[in-house]
Amino acid sequence: EAAVTQSPRNKVAVTGGKVTLSCNQTNNHNNMYWYRQDTGHGLRLIHYSYGAGSTEKGDIPDGYKASRPSQENFSLILELATPSQTSVYFCASGDAWGGAQDTQYFGPGTRLLVL
Amino acid sequence: GDSVTQTEGLVTLTEGLPVMLNCTYQSTYSPFLFWYVQHLNEAPKLLLKSFTDNKRPEHQGFHATLHKSSSSFHLQKSSAQLSDSALYYCALSEYTGNYKYVFGAGTRLKVIA
Repeated sequence: EAAVTQSPRNKVAVTGGKVTLSCNQTNNHNNMYWYRQDTGHGLRLIHYSYGAGSTEKGDIPDGYKASRPSQENFSLILELATPSQTSVYFCASGDAWGGAQDTQYFGPGTRLLVL
Repeated sequence: GDSVTQTEGLVTLTEGLPVMLNCTYQSTYSPFLFWYVQHLNEAPKLLLKSFTDNKRPEHQGFHATLHKSSSSFHLQKSSAQLSDSALYYCALSEYTGNYKYVFGAGTRLKVIA
């Protein structure tokens, strides 16, 4: 089974501060994704990537940047954190390049609290 | 645009009764459909996904049938167990030049004794 890890697992940040969430996968998947999970909204896609060097905007990209420096790593950056970004963030990787049968493998999640 | 609708936010069932969680979708072409399950304080993980040859996927007693005519992929199980209590997401995936992966809002299933 795919191994996706996230760090940190918990983070408390101050409003206006910079936050970087990191994700690493060890199964050589091309696709990686960042979601946030909020009660009543389910999983909402923030950014995704087709491979090293690529980042694409998802459904709710405002206030977030992403970086994919390598096949294994995908970061989510909050340049100026706001309390509305308090949430649980999940990273996922997928195993189908350009194909629709892409099962997503999720990391354990990061709980972010912005005060 | 592509979308997935799960009409029930919470479903509460007595152990042993049948489970049916609704999922309908809108898509441009012919998507693949998925069900993911998330237990408390865990990550979502794949439960089952649709096949290209119209076979009915099954896993851990759950099954779902893709009905293209009604754009539905409802999740079913004949007898609920306490351990089935979790959050269930329906999702679709479609590649039409651009890659789309869309999750529904999720349905929380609570099974009681």
